[in-house]
Amino acid sequence: GAVVSQHPSWVICKSGTSVKIECRSLDFQATTMFWYRQFPKQSLMLMATSNEGSKATYEQGVEKDKFLINHASLTLSTLTVTSAHPEDSSFYICSGSRVTEAFFGQGTRLTVV
Amino acid sequence: TQLLEQSPQFLSIQEGENLTVYCNSSSVFSSLQWYRQEPGEGPVLLVTVVTGGEVKKLKRLTFQFGDARKDSSLHITAAQPGDTGLYLCAGAGRGTSYGKLTFGQGTILTVHP
Repeated sequence: GAVVSQHPSWVICKSGTSVKIECRSLDFQATTMFWYRQFPKQSLMLMATSNEGSKATYEQGVEKDKFLINHASLTLSTLTVTSAHPEDSSFYICSGSRVTEAFFGQGTRLTVV
Repeated sequence: TQLLEQSPQFLSIQEGENLTVYCNSSSVFSSLQWYRQEPGEGPVLLVTVVTGGEVKKLKRLTFQFGDARKDSSLHITAAQPGDTGLYLCAGAGRGTSYGKLTFGQGTILTVHP
């Protein structure tokens, strides 16, 4: 399968600061990447679709000003959680699509203290 | 909005038992994927089914796609403790971006020695 690398694997930040998470497709080009949020023992919830060279498409209820997505190249998408608060603590996962299959990064555990 | 109902949400069995996980929807999917996820990691693709009525086998795992491409099942024979994890089904809708998936709620499987 294709490889998607996510960085960092975990991060702890202070309330009010911003955190950037990177998602890279290592062996394929991904014109579209997806960002998910996952709570403990629950399924993945799609947050937004990241489109290379254009604005991201956010799912209903997801604050676009809080979760900034940039997809500057065919192999890199970034998610920035701005002015993070404890309720933003979660597991964030990205995926890149190749043909009809999606491949996921390792996920990022964000803890806001 | 396409929904995938996955059941059961929790499954606790003894080593050697068989089990089946179901994913059902009123919508037709162009393909359906099954993932397994370990705690703190991203989902790992197990299989993709595309054709209605398709059956795929992966060692002790058997995946089936319904004739109408609205439902799927995962059957594990002689479960082992190493099968423990979160199993997710995900469907790719017709006409959506490649890789944009609708996830079921997930099934947490625990296999006791």
